Amino acid sequence: GAVVSQHPSRVICKSGTSVKIECRSLDFQATTMFWYRQFPKQSLMLMATSNEGSKATYEQGVEKDKFLINHASLTLSTLTVTSAHPEDSSFYICSASPHASNQPQHFGDGTRLSIL
Amino acid sequence: AQSVTQLDSQVPVFEEAPVELRCNYSSSVSVYLFWYVQYPNQGLQLLLKYLSGSTLVKGINGFEAEFNKSQTSFHLRKPSVHISDTAEYFCAVSDTGGFKTIFGAGTRLFVKA
Repeated sequence: GAVVSQHPSRVICKSGTSVKIECRSLDFQATTMFWYRQFPKQSLMLMATSNEGSKATYEQGVEKDKFLINHASLTLSTLTVTSAHPEDSSFYICSASPHASNQPQHFGDGTRLSIL
Repeated sequence: AQSVTQLDSQVPVFEEAPVELRCNYSSSVSVYLFWYVQYPNQGLQLLLKYLSGSTLVKGINGFEAEFNKSQTSFHLRKPSVHISDTAEYFCAVSDTGGFKTIFGAGTRLFVKA
């Protein structure tokens, strides 16, 4: 079945550091990928839609300059948390689906980001 | 726009008892419906999905769900739960373009021995 790989699985870094998270579709091409954020004991909140070859579409309230998204190829999207602060600590999950209208999203295993 | 409401934040149940996790949705267009399970510190695993056809959908691990269009519900059921079913369960909806997926707040299923 379709596999989405997310890397790294865990990051611990100092405040002010920029952190890049990768999301790869391993056995299919994805023109669209999604980035979610999940706080402890809460649901997944959609942050942005990553579009291959064009700008990402951000949900209301998500800072574009804070969360930089690049979707340079049909199998890779990256999320960069710029100048991270403790309040950015969260679980970040990406998803993608083969380009067919009735395919559900396949999710990566998530990245646990901890900013000290 | 779509939205999803999971009516119970926590559901405690004894092992081998039946369980139902409730989910209601709202949408002005046709939708696809999903249930996902999340174990601690892990990503999401698809339990089952409703795209079209039979309103009773069977998934993995003995779970099933029934799509009720008139009540805009998609409740998840299992006739006999196991300790290993303890996890967070998310109901989700997307439009029939199948892209953006909106999640409910989640229901914590806690199975007691």
